[in-house]
Amino acid sequence: DAKTTQPPSMDCAEGRAANLPCNHSTISGNEYVYWYRQIHSQGPQYIIHGLKNNETNEMASLIITEDRKSSTLILPHATLRDTAVYYCIRRNTGKLIFGQGTTLQVKP
Amino acid sequence: KAGVTQTPRYLIKTRGQQVTLSCSPISGHRSVSWYQQTPGQGLQFLFEYFSETQRNKGNFPGRFSGRQFSNSRSEMNVSTLELGDSALYLCASSLAVNYNEQFFGPGTRLTVL
Repeated sequence: DAKTTQPPSMDCAEGRAANLPCNHSTISGNEYVYWYRQIHSQGPQYIIHGLKNNETNEMASLIITEDRKSSTLILPHATLRDTAVYYCIRRNTGKLIFGQGTTLQVKP
Repeated sequence: KAGVTQTPRYLIKTRGQQVTLSCSPISGHRSVSWYQQTPGQGLQFLFEYFSETQRNKGNFPGRFSGRQFSNSRSEMNVSTLELGDSALYLCASSLAVNYNEQFFGPGTRLTVL
């Protein structure tokens, strides 16, 4: 199954932007990039998704490179409540294929 | 509106037993997916149902099965439980299959002794 590559952990200072990278170098043309996060002991929460263009919503921005081989999730002003595991997912069917994700620790 | 609900939240079983977990999707959602989460394997897709039909299936043995009812509620069953089946079982619902956002429930924590 097609997985993505993410750094296992990152730190971010509270109030600063958190930039979480994801590599999906073998992504195919009809695969979307999805981001979910999971706060300890809760079910994953949808953040954002995109195909080719950059996307923004109330939670985050998603920047996808022109060749679509990588993307970056941006949390513009990280808070302590954003501490979670962030999953970057390639999706072309109904199922989500999760990798190991990035544990983001937001520090005061 | 109410989110995805899963029952029970916690369950303890012994090896060899079977278990049934239940998931009620968000009202109006017709697709339900199941995932297993363990510390070693992470989140793994089990299966997806839409309109009472299984649309996708992950790489799990036949001991894992599921079904969906006409009201979109879904159940999954695990027979002949093994210690390795101890996990958090998550259910996610969406309006339809493929590209719609999936909303996850809180999960059922299954412990097999």
